[in-house]
Amino acid sequence: GAVVSQHPSRVICKSGTSVKIECRSLDFQATTMFWYRQFPKQSLMLMATSNEGSKATYEQGVEKDKFLINHASLTLSTLTVTSAHPEDSSFYICSARDRGQGKKLFFGSGTQLSVL
Amino acid sequence: AQSVTQLDSQVPVFEEAPVELRCNYSSSVSVYLFWYVQYPNQGLQLLLKYLSGSTLVKGINGFEAEFNKSQTSFHLRKPSVHISDTAEYFCAVTYNQGGKLIFGQGTELSVKP
Repeated sequence: GAVVSQHPSRVICKSGTSVKIECRSLDFQATTMFWYRQFPKQSLMLMATSNEGSKATYEQGVEKDKFLINHASLTLSTLTVTSAHPEDSSFYICSARDRGQGKKLFFGSGTQLSVL
Repeated sequence: AQSVTQLDSQVPVFEEAPVELRCNYSSSVSVYLFWYVQYPNQGLQLLLKYLSGSTLVKGINGFEAEFNKSQTSFHLRKPSVHISDTAEYFCAVTYNQGGKLIFGQGTELSVKP
């Protein structure tokens, strides 16, 4: 079945540094990718929607300059948390929509970011 | 390995009919279960969750789900669906509170008039 690879699975960084998270569709082309942040009690907040070759659409309240999203190809989207702070510590989950296969949605395995 | 299986990729039903979306998970001592819904052109929304207590969980929009430990299932049900319930539904599990969510493959519910 279709697989979405999210890397790294876990990252620990110092406050003020930037962290890049990759979301890659391994065996399908993804025209649209979604980035979520997981909050306590497993609520998910949609951060942004990215379409290949165009700028990401950010949800209200999400800082575009802090959470940089790039969807450079049909198989890769990246989320860069710039100047990370402890309050950015969270699980980040990506999902990708297959342009074929009835446009099914597949999820990455998530990235746990810990900012010290 | 931890896994979640949604047995039906697509479920077409007529309006006002009952529906059940199936979800099975790999067995574990403790498990926390969730159903999320994604309406067209929107992000995921939490429908309901089981953390502990009563095995019958009621969620938003008239949905409910039953945690069955012996069958390792958490099927989602609604007695009478509406056109507006047309969406993708995802079952998810975590094996500790606050832990990483593992999603099923999703079920596309299509409600026809």
